[in-house]
Amino acid sequence: GAVVSQHPSRVICKSGTSVKIECRSLDFQATTMFWYRQFPKQSLMLMATSNEGSKATYEQGVEKDKFLINHASLTLSTLTVTSAHPEDSSFYICSARASADTQYFGPGTRLLVL
Amino acid sequence: GNSVTQMEGPVTLSEEAFLTINCTYTATGYPSLFWYVQYPGEGLQLLLKATKADDKGSNKGFEATYRKETTSFHLEKGSVQVSDSAVYFCALRTGQAGTALIFGKGTTLSVSS
Repeated sequence: GAVVSQHPSRVICKSGTSVKIECRSLDFQATTMFWYRQFPKQSLMLMATSNEGSKATYEQGVEKDKFLINHASLTLSTLTVTSAHPEDSSFYICSARASADTQYFGPGTRLLVL
Repeated sequence: GNSVTQMEGPVTLSEEAFLTINCTYTATGYPSLFWYVQYPGEGLQLLLKATKADDKGSNKGFEATYRKETTSFHLEKGSVQVSDSAVYFCALRTGQAGTALIFGKGTTLSVSS
């Protein structure tokens, strides 16, 4: 099946620094990608919908200036957590839409902010 | 609002046991329903889906039936294997095809030989 990669798989950073997470569709083009966040023992929560060549659509309660999303090409979307704080520590997962009714998920990125 | 509720895990079974993971949902309109599976170190993979009431999704021996009257989509397998050990997520989609999913919290299944 189609593969979506995320990089890095795990990152530890100091409070106040920014972290960039990449989501790539390896064998298909994705005009739409989704970014989710998962807290321990909680469900995946949609953060934003990323559309190639346009601004991302953020869910209510998600700070767009803190979670910067760029979808500059049909195979790459990036999520940058700016001025990260310990409460941003979480598991971030992306998915890429391959067709009208199919999306593939990346393996996730574990972020720990000290 | 729209939501998905799954049974709390972990679920621990012996090989060849019968599996049921309960999932109920709250949604407006007529959602599509999904089960995703996440094996250790991998991304979520679609296991099966159903798009309308009374549809049965099936794959790899797993089945789930879309029950509108009980707003449920319980996952079942008659005989589990060690290789089925994973985290299972129930999800729904209320919008057009290709829109984002709403997930349950996930249920961890551990199967021992």
